[in-house]
Amino acid sequence: AQSVTQPDIHITVSEGASLELRCNYSYGATPYLFWYVQSPGQGLQLLLKYFSGDTLVQGIKGFEAEFKRSQSSFNLRKPSVHWSDAAEYFCAVYGAGNKLTFGGGTRVLVKP
Amino acid sequence: SQTIHQWPATLVQPVGSPLSLECTVEGTSNPNLYWYRQAAGRGLQLLFYSVGIGQISSEVPQNLSASRPQDRQFILSSKKLLLSDSGFYLCAFRGIGTEAFFGQGTRLTVV
Repeated sequence: AQSVTQPDIHITVSEGASLELRCNYSYGATPYLFWYVQSPGQGLQLLLKYFSGDTLVQGIKGFEAEFKRSQSSFNLRKPSVHWSDAAEYFCAVYGAGNKLTFGGGTRVLVKP
Repeated sequence: SQTIHQWPATLVQPVGSPLSLECTVEGTSNPNLYWYRQAAGRGLQLLFYSVGIGQISSEVPQNLSASRPQDRQFILSSKKLLLSDSGFYLCAFRGIGTEAFFGQGTRLTVV
């Protein structure tokens, strides 16, 4: 069965510092991978996606993610965090049987 | 363009009352449809998904059910709500070869 693990429940980062959010997936074939962001009380907005090709993908708001098949990972990064990046971030995998499975999320707090 | 509508935005219901949350999609045909629940401080739990009219897959046994009476309509229901059904419910759809788009969610409080 497919699954997604986000090991970090909370991350606190200073404004202007770099950010990396970890995501590990379990799926037998090449997955479709996504990162979403959720502001409080809102739906989810897509940051970026990986279907195939270049393993380093660029997204909106200055985010990027790298797919590493050997590590079953799809970590999200941003070089310099802004206060508006405080939110909850979800990694997701679209795999067998048309299931779209999410990780438990990582809540990011940005310190001034 | 593809859009998704989910309502109501908030709902307060007494224990034992029925539930019906509706989600409709525009701008695409035969989408995959999903219902998720997000409990306070927790991740997204997949409840149901559907790949076509009348085709529903249930992920976890629970007090809820789902139906897809039309191609772009997905309904989440319960005959008798429990306190534990409180949470934030999100509907989503996925067109072929694209990412999932989410509704704005329904915050359900069972009292």
